[in-house]
This record gives sequence, C-alpha cells and structure tokens, in this order.
Amino acid sequence: DIQMTQSPSSLSASVGDRVTITCRASQSISSYLNWYQQKPGKAPKLLIYAASSLQSGVPSRFSGSGSGTDFTLTISSLQPEDFATYYCQQSYSTRFTFGPGTKVDIK
Amino acid sequence: EVQLVESGGGLVKPGGSLRLSCAASGFTFSSYSMNWVRQAPGKGLEWVSSISSSSSYIYYADSVKGRFTISRDNAKNSLYLQMNSLRAEDTAVYYCARDISAGAGYWGQGTLVTVSS
Repeated sequence: DIQMTQSPSSLSASVGDRVTITCRASQSISSYLNWYQQKPGKAPKLLIYAASSLQSGVPSRFSGSGSGTDFTLTISSLQPEDFATYYCQQSYSTRFTFGPGTKVDIK
Repeated sequence: EVQLVESGGGLVKPGGSLRLSCAASGFTFSSYSMNWVRQAPGKGLEWVSSISSSSSYIYYADSVKGRFTISRDNAKNSLYLQMNSLRAEDTAVYYCARDISAGAGYWGQGTLVTVSS
C-alpha cells in the first residue's frame, strides 16, 4: 500500500498567518492527491482535488501544489474558521490511503 | 441536493456483527463509485472499502478484509457494509463517501459503531 505522511503533525498559528502543510507519498502518485479539512464532530470537507484544483465553494486562500511524491497545502491568510485538522489522501491506488493529519490551532 | 445518510451503528460485543446502510439521494447513485471511511475516537481517517458503480470492482483495507463485505443496491440508492467478527479496534465513526477516487466531495454525517463487552 502507498503510505502517506504529513508534516507537521500540528501547528499553532495566528489569524492572518500564511500556513503551509506538507504531504509525502511513499511512491509517485502523479497528481492523484486530495486535501480535506475536518472540524470536530463533522465529516471531512474536500478542499483540493488532483493536487491543485480548488473544489467549488472553497475560498481562494486555499491552494495546493506538487506532483510525484511531494505536495503542499497552503492557506494564504488564516481565518478563524480555518482552525481544524487537515488530511491528504492519495487516489492513485484503488486502495486509498489518508495521511495522519495536521491539526491547526490558535496561537 | 446531494445527501448521504448512514444508519445501523450501535453497540455490539466483540465477535458480533452489524450491517451499516447509507441512503443516497440528490444524484444518480448508479453512476458513482462509493466508499466507506472510518475514524476511531480521537484518531485520523482510515479508508475501509470501495465499490464501483456496477459492483464490478470491490476493494478492502487489509484491516477488514475477510470480515467486512461492501455491497450496493442501485435500485434502492443504497450502500451497505456488512461487518462480521467485530473487534474492539473496529470502534469508530463510519462515513459513506461518494467517489473518493476524484476527491470525495460528498460525505454522510457518520454512524458510530462501538465494539465492547
């Protein structure tokens, strides 16, 4: 199975900060990488699909980049509603796998 | 409006069985692959199983292979997960999600399965 890692596992940031989360795959997954946001007690919400395509309705402060094994999710200016846990997920293999998550909380 | 509504969760003893259901509406169910994803308390997301639109292709995570069975009824717009030989480590919120291969844009609210004696 393709293993996904994320760094950092958690971070503290302030409103207005630029935040970058990294995701790495254990083998090349081309651009088959999706990003989700999850808030406590809620289902995950798709932010970015195919590494860099913004899901409809998602604010433009969210962006994704990368291909192959290394990917990033960037929040250009952190807003209060962005404090949450973020997961990457590969869809290159039919045995889909998620990263362990990055928790973003308030500094 | 796309809706996915899970049901069937509850408390079950180790070794027991449970059948989860996911009722879909607001889209052409028979055109999409469907998935089950779970989340243990305080833990991350774990993909469990996928089924193609016509049930031709089915995949399982190693952690549930041989114990869980995914199925669907396109006439009833419903997805199912039959869970047998349940273990404490299967305790989780189980979500159904549409078409995770393209980024799962639609998820249900989840149903909690607790395996405990």
